[in-house]
Amino acid sequence: KAGVTQTPRYLIKTRGQQVTLSCSPISGHRSVSWYQQTPGQGLQFLFEYFSETQRNKGNFPGRFSGRQFSNSRSEMNVSTLELGDSALYLCASSLRLEGGTEAFFGQGTRLTVV
Amino acid sequence: KNQVEQSPQSLIILEGKNCTLQCNYTVSPFSNLRWYKQDTGRGPVSLTIMTFSENTKSNGRYTATLDADTKQSSLHITASQLSDSASYICVVSARAGGSYIPTFGRGTSLIVHP
Repeated sequence: KAGVTQTPRYLIKTRGQQVTLSCSPISGHRSVSWYQQTPGQGLQFLFEYFSETQRNKGNFPGRFSGRQFSNSRSEMNVSTLELGDSALYLCASSLRLEGGTEAFFGQGTRLTVV
Repeated sequence: KNQVEQSPQSLIILEGKNCTLQCNYTVSPFSNLRWYKQDTGRGPVSLTIMTFSENTKSNGRYTATLDADTKQSSLHITASQLSDSASYICVVSARAGGSYIPTFGRGTSLIVHP
């Protein structure tokens, strides 16, 4: 069974640009969650999607958005990039809402904003 | 405000020795507590998940305990191996309506020396 796939693995963007990251969950999983990981803040929850609906949102500005498609694949978008958005962005998939069952993480997308 | 505190921040041990990592939390209403292992440059991997009614959960050489009264958890690693060198992250989820909000600890960085 294929694991969670995140693309691209590495990305370099300039301040002010926007970026879209993609996450393909494990087949059959309906929940996809997104996280930001930085050395200073550790792992922080961005949002969770279940059956194409955003179920939860962390404490991030509106520049961070996401969506989920009918095949459960998910994308997150960051607009008007800032230097502080440089981070490892992780997604995780699970059968049900993430808190209620085991979550499987992808390898992450390393975003560098210059 | 929900918080998860982990200690120690870092730990160095010799191969073959045991160690215990601590996690204290103030998360309400409590749903579950998870321990993850994260190797450098990779996504976290789930080690254990515990609900309110469970006080011990094992996964091979990893044993997690939960004291819901004192809101403390520990992760005990037995007979450490070089491959145990990683960051160990404690995550506590709060129930929010029909979904869950995770709060992450900053992690304990474990280095196992030969």
